[in-house]
Amino acid sequence: EAQVTQNPRYLITVTGKKLTVTCSQNMNHEYMSWYRQDPGLGLRQIYYSMNVEVTDKGDVPEGYKVSRKEKRNFPLILESPSPNQTSLYFCASSWGQDPYNSPLHFGNGTRLTVT
Amino acid sequence: AQSVTQPDIHITVSEGASLELRCNYSYGATPYLFWYVQSPGQGLQLLLKYFSGDTLVQGIKGFEAEFKRSQSSFNLRKPSVHWSDAAEYFCAVVRTGGFKTIFGAGTRLFVKA
Repeated sequence: EAQVTQNPRYLITVTGKKLTVTCSQNMNHEYMSWYRQDPGLGLRQIYYSMNVEVTDKGDVPEGYKVSRKEKRNFPLILESPSPNQTSLYFCASSWGQDPYNSPLHFGNGTRLTVT
Repeated sequence: AQSVTQPDIHITVSEGASLELRCNYSYGATPYLFWYVQSPGQGLQLLLKYFSGDTLVQGIKGFEAEFKRSQSSFNLRKPSVHWSDAAEYFCAVVRTGGFKTIFGAGTRLFVKA
């Protein structure tokens, strides 16, 4: 089954403790992206990747890192989480740069709480 | 800059009633337009999309949307709502020639029995 898999689904951590949220897709998609969803703000893009070893900042990249060493994986790293990073995070992927013919496929989300 | 406005934070409709969710975008040319649905505990799922051609587009689950250039709108409609339609709905745009998707803030739909 074609899917985007995020882990974990729920995570509670403390301020400053490094964490990684994994994202993997099995559709051979070139484009991958991370979003955070906050009430009243919709989804805001954190980072995206056009292909292996190619990443770029989205609208809200501060406090986050990503890597794209393999096509299927796109982990999100919080080196020193803070309470304002408490949010619902989504990973998404698509074939490439034509958004009409390759719309986004989303994972089921990771709810992160930083205390 | 591109933007997407969904004026209604939440809407409540009775089961069987019709539904219209509003979406306005700001962009000079016709962008790619999308509607996504997010069911509780799930990721977003594409309902329908529009770029050109017939301004009334059909999507999955009985939804349709109409593009109105003069109003910069792309409203989502359904003739008869089912309880399973309760979810959050997001309008999104991508500028022509670009690849970045910009989402509206979402409209949460409640369905009354």
